[in-house]
Amino acid sequence: DVKVTQSSRYLVKRTGEKVFLECVQDMDHENMFWYRQDPGLGLRLIYFSYDVKMKEKGDIPEGYSVSREKKERFSLILESASTNQTSMYLCASGKTDFSGANVLTFGAGSRLTVL
Amino acid sequence: DAKTTQPPSMDCAEGRAANLPCNHSTISGNEYVYWYRQIHSQGPQYIIHGLKNNETNEMASLIITEDRKSSTLILPHATLRDTAVYYCIEIRRSNYKLTFGKGTLLTVNP
Repeated sequence: DVKVTQSSRYLVKRTGEKVFLECVQDMDHENMFWYRQDPGLGLRLIYFSYDVKMKEKGDIPEGYSVSREKKERFSLILESASTNQTSMYLCASGKTDFSGANVLTFGAGSRLTVL
Repeated sequence: DAKTTQPPSMDCAEGRAANLPCNHSTISGNEYVYWYRQIHSQGPQYIIHGLKNNETNEMASLIITEDRKSSTLILPHATLRDTAVYYCIEIRRSNYKLTFGKGTLLTVNP
C-alpha cells in the first residue's frame, strides 16, 4: 500500500516561531500536495509540487513556503507562525496515470496549534 | 476547476444502499469526477473516479448521467464505518490542482 507519512501528529508552537512540517511518501509519486483543513471551510490547497524542486501556489499560499529537494519528501514551512495558522495540515501524494487521472493518497494529518 | 454541489448531510440505515448525489453542471469534456471520503480525524481516502462511463470497484459504484452534469456515488450496503464526509470533485485531466468543497456528511445509523 502507498504510504504517506507526516512527521508530527500534533505540534504546539509559539507565535513567531519557524515551523517545519515534513511529509514523506514511499511510492515514487511525482505529485505532492499540502492542504489545510478548518471547520466549515473544507480542505484548502496551500502548495503543490509536480517534480523535484518544482512548486506551485495553491489557493492560500500566503504565510507558507515549501521545499522539495527529493522526490519522496515535501516540506511545508511557516517562516513566522501566527495564531491564524492553527489548523489541521494534510499532505498528499499522487501519480498521473496513462489516462490523465491523478489519484491522491493522504497522510494522517498534523494538527498545529500556535499560541 | 469547476465547482460541484452536494447536499450538506444525509442519513442512511445500516445495510441499506447509500446514494450520494453530486451536481457538476459546468463540467467540461476533459474533467474527471472523483470521490473521496474523510472519516473523522483521518486524512481523506480515495474512493472512485470516472470520466463518462459508470464505474465500479470494491468500495463503491459511480453513476454518471449521460449529459455528465451530475453523478451518484453508491455504497451498496452501508456500514457504521462508512459514516464520513464524502467529497465529489472535478479535476481536469492531468491537472495537478485538486480543490475540495465542503462535501456531504453521511451518517449511517444502526
